[in-house]
Amino acid sequence: ILNVEQSPQSLHVQEGDSTNFTCSFPSSNFYALHWYRWETAKSPEALFVMTLNGDEKKKGRISATLNTKEGYSYLYIKGSQPEDSATYLCAFNFGNEKLTFGTGTRLTIIP
Amino acid sequence: SQTIHQWPATLVQPVGSPLSLECTVEGTSNPNLYWYRQAAGRGLQLLFYSVGIGQISSEVPQNLSASRPQDRQFILSSKKLLLSDSGFYLCAWSDRPWETQYFGPGTRLLVL
Repeated sequence: ILNVEQSPQSLHVQEGDSTNFTCSFPSSNFYALHWYRWETAKSPEALFVMTLNGDEKKKGRISATLNTKEGYSYLYIKGSQPEDSATYLCAFNFGNEKLTFGTGTRLTIIP
Repeated sequence: SQTIHQWPATLVQPVGSPLSLECTVEGTSNPNLYWYRQAAGRGLQLLFYSVGIGQISSEVPQNLSASRPQDRQFILSSKKLLLSDSGFYLCAWSDRPWETQYFGPGTRLLVL
């Protein structure tokens, strides 16, 4: 059974502060790591796909890093805004097989 | 541009009743299609995926089934719903198997 673990489960951050959370996955036979943002009452939206160890991706104030050797990825949000409130999901491809999703980190930005 | 539709948005059904949820994709051809379920307090669980018309792979044994009668249509069905079928059902598509997936708006199902 392949497990993707995300921590923390939930997080409250003051508006303007920066934050980060973690996705852990099995490091063997890695293929790709995906990050999605899921806002309430909307569909999950793809943020990043990373495939190479050391990959860093950035989209506005959100960035992500990947360490395939130790099996983790960090998602960073700089200068949090209320619109960043969402559940952030990571998903892992093992050997180009199905995506296995974590349970997500629920982020709430406090104005 | 591509769009994905799901209906209904919300459904309340009695135990033992049948189910049919529909998903259609526009603006692409030969999409890979997926059905996921999120039960309360749990992550997204893959139920079925399809790489082409009539080709369905089941991930979890259960009383649900899926069909793909047309290239861009994916249907999730049940003959008799169970209480445990309650949850949020998402359909998704991708250009290639298991690459970035694009999700529909979802159906919230409550079985009473």
